[in-house]
Formats: sequence, C-alpha cells, structure tokens
Amino acid sequence: DVKVTQSSRYLVKRTGEKVFLECVQDMDHENMFWYRQDPGLGLRLIYFSYDVKMKEKGDIPEGYSVSREKKERFSLILESASTNQTSMYLCASSRVGAFFGQGTRLTVV
Amino acid sequence: KNEVEQSPQNLTAQEGEFITINCSYSVGISALHWLQQHPGGGIVSLFMLSSGKKKHGRLIATINIQEKHSSLHITASHPRDSAVYICAVRNTDKLIFGTGTRLQVFP
Repeated sequence: DVKVTQSSRYLVKRTGEKVFLECVQDMDHENMFWYRQDPGLGLRLIYFSYDVKMKEKGDIPEGYSVSREKKERFSLILESASTNQTSMYLCASSRVGAFFGQGTRLTVV
Repeated sequence: KNEVEQSPQNLTAQEGEFITINCSYSVGISALHWLQQHPGGGIVSLFMLSSGKKKHGRLIATINIQEKHSSLHITASHPRDSAVYICAVRNTDKLIFGTGTRLQVFP
C-alpha cells in the first residue's frame, strides 16, 4: 500500500514561530502537493513539486515556502506563523492516482 | 466561477437510499478523482477515472468526457457512508478540487 505520512496530526504554535510540516511518501512519486483546507473554501493548493529541488506556486503561496531535497520528502515551511494560518494542512503525492496523508491540524495562537 | 463544481453541497439520506453526487468541470483534464473525507480529516481516494465507469462494492463512479461531467453513486447507503465527498480533476500537473459534498446517512 502507498503511504503518505505527515509528521504530526496536531500542532499548536505561537504567532511568529517558524513552523515545519513534513511529508514523506514511499512510492517514488515525482509529484507532491501541499494543500490547506478551510470550512467553506474546500482544498486550496499552496505549493507543488514535480521533482527534487523543483517547486511551483499554487493558488495561495503567500506566507509559505517549501523544500524538496529528496524525492520522498516534501516540507512546508511557515516562515513566521500567523493566526490566519490556523488550518488543516494536507499533503498528497501522485504519479497517476492521488494519495493523501492524514492531515495536520495546525493552530496558531 | 469555480473550475470544478459539485452538487449538492449538502445531502441527507435515510439508510438504504440510493445516492448520487455530481461533479462538473470546465477545464481540460487527464483524470478525475473521487475522494472521501471522514471527520478527523483523513482523505481516501475512492476512484480515479479517465473514461467510462468504475465500480467498487456499493460505489459506482461514471464520467462523460464530452459533457465534462462525473457522478458518484452509492447504492444501499449506510450511516458509515457519512462523510464529505470531493471531486478533483487533474489539469497538467495540478489537481483542482471541488468544495465537496457533505453526506449524512441516518439509520
């Protein structure tokens, strides 16, 4: 079975902290994605990566950066967390089918 | 206008009812996914379609490429089917998501 693993299910961080969300997949997929999910807004793409060290902005990249140093790992970075970044964050990896992690619910206080 | 539209947004049903959720899209796609999200956040991929029809247990997914429309059907619905169902289309390297359909099935 394909596994997409996110490092944390729940996180609470303070405003201004630097936050790292990690995602690892075990199927050698080229494409990986970070989304956030908010009530009434559905899933919105933050960044995606189609190869190691390659990244493309999604629909809402402001306030975020990403890192893809190895094919299996795609990290989402909040440089200075703010309360409006409180959300559910979902990582996905894809070659043909799409596979999602369990999500990280981040609360910024 | 959203590139991927789902209807209805909310749906309630009695156990045993046949359920249909619709998805229309306005962009060119290479594949369409139906996803299921349960309370707590975890998302499961139910189907990936590029043409025709697929069946898995009580779930059936169809797609009409010419009409840019897909449907997800649930036969003999059960309370454990209660979840949010999300349609997503693959457009080049991106997945574009609908906002989801919240389904509640009552005993």
